[in-house]
Amino acid sequence: GAVVSQHPSWVICKSGTSVKIECRSLDFQATTMFWYRQFPKQSLMLMATSNEGSKATYEQGVEKDKFLINHASLTLSTLTVTSAHPEDSSFYICSARAWGVAGASTDTQYFGPGTRLTVL
Amino acid sequence: GQQLNQSPQSMFIQEGEDVSMNCTSSSIFNTWLWYKQDPGEGPVLLIALYKAGELTSNGRLTAQFGITRKDSFLNISASIPSDVGIYFCAGQRRSGYALNFGKGTSLLVTP
Repeated sequence: GAVVSQHPSWVICKSGTSVKIECRSLDFQATTMFWYRQFPKQSLMLMATSNEGSKATYEQGVEKDKFLINHASLTLSTLTVTSAHPEDSSFYICSARAWGVAGASTDTQYFGPGTRLTVL
Repeated sequence: GQQLNQSPQSMFIQEGEDVSMNCTSSSIFNTWLWYKQDPGEGPVLLIALYKAGELTSNGRLTAQFGITRKDSFLNISASIPSDVGIYFCAGQRRSGYALNFGKGTSLLVTP
């Protein structure tokens, strides 16, 4: 249990285009998902918290109009990078909050495999 | 969010050796987690700690939640080549909150 998928696993796009990344919890429901970005040889930095049925909460310095987040169901959150530029090239990773998965009584976050975005 | 202090930054060891890495914070966390990340993939949860003083094992891995709630360590015993990767500690202030990550420890194991 507790599998999180991301699609696509990698994408190359031209500058100025928009890219949508999907994050799905495959075998559990997640009311909360998180989006992180990771630059080469660096740690994960939180971009935003996505709550099902409500607006996402963005971290300081993250443009909400540029990184659109939609958490339309209990198993799907999407991140859309609008008008992408080369500096947006990064590894984007989502995580989903899992409560009671596999009989556990604890609250844990499981990560997707990541999406490599390259903007030319 | 706050980034945790994780050390060492990198380790280069021989197969069979034990490894120890730790993470400290200036503030309290209610949950400590340890993840391993392979190149081009997302982090995989290794051990989760929910109680101060808790010592938990997962195979050759052992992790402890510091009594002060401001630190945690991870030990790997009898390392093998597949232990190669980047290990991240993460702290969570409250249930449901996002994670604060350390900068990672890059582990290389030679046969």
